[in-house]
Amino acid sequence: GEDVEQSLFLSVREGDSSVINCTYTDSSSTYLYWYKQEPGAGLQLLTYIFSNMDMKQDQRLTVLLNKKDKHLSLRIADTQTGDSAIYFCAESPRSNDYKLSFGAGTTVTVRA
Amino acid sequence: DVKVTQSSRYLVKRTGEKVFLECVQDMDHENMFWYRQDPGLGLRLIYFSYDVKMKEKGDIPEGYSVSREKKERFSLILESASTNQTSMYLCASTQTSGGYTFGSGTRLTVV
Repeated sequence: GEDVEQSLFLSVREGDSSVINCTYTDSSSTYLYWYKQEPGAGLQLLTYIFSNMDMKQDQRLTVLLNKKDKHLSLRIADTQTGDSAIYFCAESPRSNDYKLSFGAGTTVTVRA
Repeated sequence: DVKVTQSSRYLVKRTGEKVFLECVQDMDHENMFWYRQDPGLGLRLIYFSYDVKMKEKGDIPEGYSVSREKKERFSLILESASTNQTSMYLCASTQTSGGYTFGSGTRLTVV
């Protein structure tokens, strides 16, 4: 989506941390999401953050939100081979609208 | 286990054929969506529906139509398939702002 931008590829060594970055344009976004897509599958909701938060942690996942810069990141600690997938950032532009705008997706490749 | 089911994983159709892609959800969600996914372009919204018999155009509705006769079912119709409609099609549903539930996708090839 033109309103949400992500880098297309990330290569990371097994055991290292991965950081996937995303920028969005709509300052009125209420929720921001991270989805994971494994090969041949649909998208799975990984985590989301409400716009009045700046950080959310869930096990190996840490989401950071910089609302001033409209920047969202997803950090995966101790990256495993099972983390190889496409990761999509998405924003919900208006509080009463369930349409999401997706980024193009970041393909994460975990190498041994 | 709640889910969104797309009727076909893989489909091959000829140019000019009328194609139906079916999506069924068992979560009583009001909102349903059809996206297409192409490499480097991410997900682009084709059509969505907020309720039975209601439909709204998304960002790329040309060449597509939809039908929502029952709450649980949202169908995407390609009136006359063309090769540029070869893509992965993803259906999703949601009730609140808590995020979508996606189907597994239908990979359509038009030859």
